[in-house]
Amino acid sequence: ELKVEQNPLFLSMQEGKNYTIYCNYSTTSDRLYWYRQDPGKSLESLFVLLSNGAVKQEGRLMASLDTKARLSTLHITAAVHDLSATYFCAGMEYGNKLVFGAGTILRVKS
Amino acid sequence: DVKVTQSSRYLVKRTGEKVFLECVQDMDHENMFWYRQDPGLGLRLIYFSYDVKMKEKGDIPEGYSVSREKKERFSLILESASTNQTSMYLCASSGFGTVLDQPQHFGDGTRLSIL
Repeated sequence: ELKVEQNPLFLSMQEGKNYTIYCNYSTTSDRLYWYRQDPGKSLESLFVLLSNGAVKQEGRLMASLDTKARLSTLHITAAVHDLSATYFCAGMEYGNKLVFGAGTILRVKS
Repeated sequence: DVKVTQSSRYLVKRTGEKVFLECVQDMDHENMFWYRQDPGLGLRLIYFSYDVKMKEKGDIPEGYSVSREKKERFSLILESASTNQTSMYLCASSGFGTVLDQPQHFGDGTRLSIL
């Protein structure tokens, strides 16, 4: 059974700083997803990581996947207020079934 | 763009009522999913479906059932609502075969309160 753990669960950071959110998973996962959720809104897909060593970047966010360590990271560069949201990672079990982490609440302070 | 539409954004029901949550997607996706989201617990899968008239239990199916009579529509049913089913419910859909690298697409959610 796949289990997914994120840390930290809450992150308060200053604008302009860098930080990393970690996502550990317990068993083999075919792929790893990152989603963003704004308050009162639905989940928006950020990245799909398909293989070991995969790295994807979009603006100030960069996601990577290390399947041997069963670890994915979401790195935030020079944070801005607009990045404040809750970020979820999710691994995939059989049959396109996603298992989500608890989410990381990110607050960027100006 | 994929559109996943949930019938209600907010719903208030009473204990013991039978509650229906509806979800429609417009991308001819084979897979559809129902999750509930609670603070600190992330999203937990209730039921999912790979095709019309088929369903599989997720991690927390107790107290729920589903119906998929048409490919585009996936309904979640609370047979006899209880206060511990107060939550945010999210529907999602995804394609099959060569589009497995595509993410699940989510609806806006239904915030359900059981009094």
